[in-house]
Amino acid sequence: GAGVSQSPRYKVAKRGQDVALRCDPISGHVSLFWYQQALGQGPEFLTYFQNEAQLDKSGLPSDRFFAERPEGSVSTLKIQRTQQEDSAVYLCASSPDRGGTQYFGPGTRLTVL
Amino acid sequence: GIQVEQSPPDLILQEGANSTLRCNFSDSVNNLQWFHQNPWGQLINLFYIPSGTKQNGRLSATTVATERYSLLYISSSQTTDSGVYFCAVGDSGAGSYQLTFGKGTKLSVIP
Repeated sequence: GAGVSQSPRYKVAKRGQDVALRCDPISGHVSLFWYQQALGQGPEFLTYFQNEAQLDKSGLPSDRFFAERPEGSVSTLKIQRTQQEDSAVYLCASSPDRGGTQYFGPGTRLTVL
Repeated sequence: GIQVEQSPPDLILQEGANSTLRCNFSDSVNNLQWFHQNPWGQLINLFYIPSGTKQNGRLSATTVATERYSLLYISSSQTTDSGVYFCAVGDSGAGSYQLTFGKGTKLSVIP
């Protein structure tokens, strides 16, 4: 079956622009996670949804980062007024339940110039 | 939060050799996963193993939860095993289901 998909795969933005990153989780998966991976590092947690409810956003680095999952399936991570330090790979993961195996998408590589 | 340490940070193997990767964590967990990140950046699930032992082909993993470590064994390594191996842990006791990742072990298998 289809895995987690993300789009776009690559995004180049000028500093100050807003960007929107999309995640399509595996169908039927209740939980959805966003992670940020800097070059040479492990992924770091950003936020977590259970269905449409955002239950944990403790990892969002600033109020410029916003995520939503309005119908409990597709999710969008929005970054406003991008800065160079936002350059990273943004990974989405989904899970069929709350604490089980997380399945990752291919990521979106964001470069802010 | 939970601290995760992986060792060694880098490993170079001759094709056909065996290896053991280690993951230590600082607190009790109820989720532990091993991933392989391939050169294209895709994180591939290897094992969901909060405790016990599992095997899948040339790979096996053991987690000793009471001693807060997990081991990933790779036997008869192949060049396609190259990449970064991550251990990630989670503790849902506080109501959060996030995974905390280690810094990874970069494996290079040479022919």
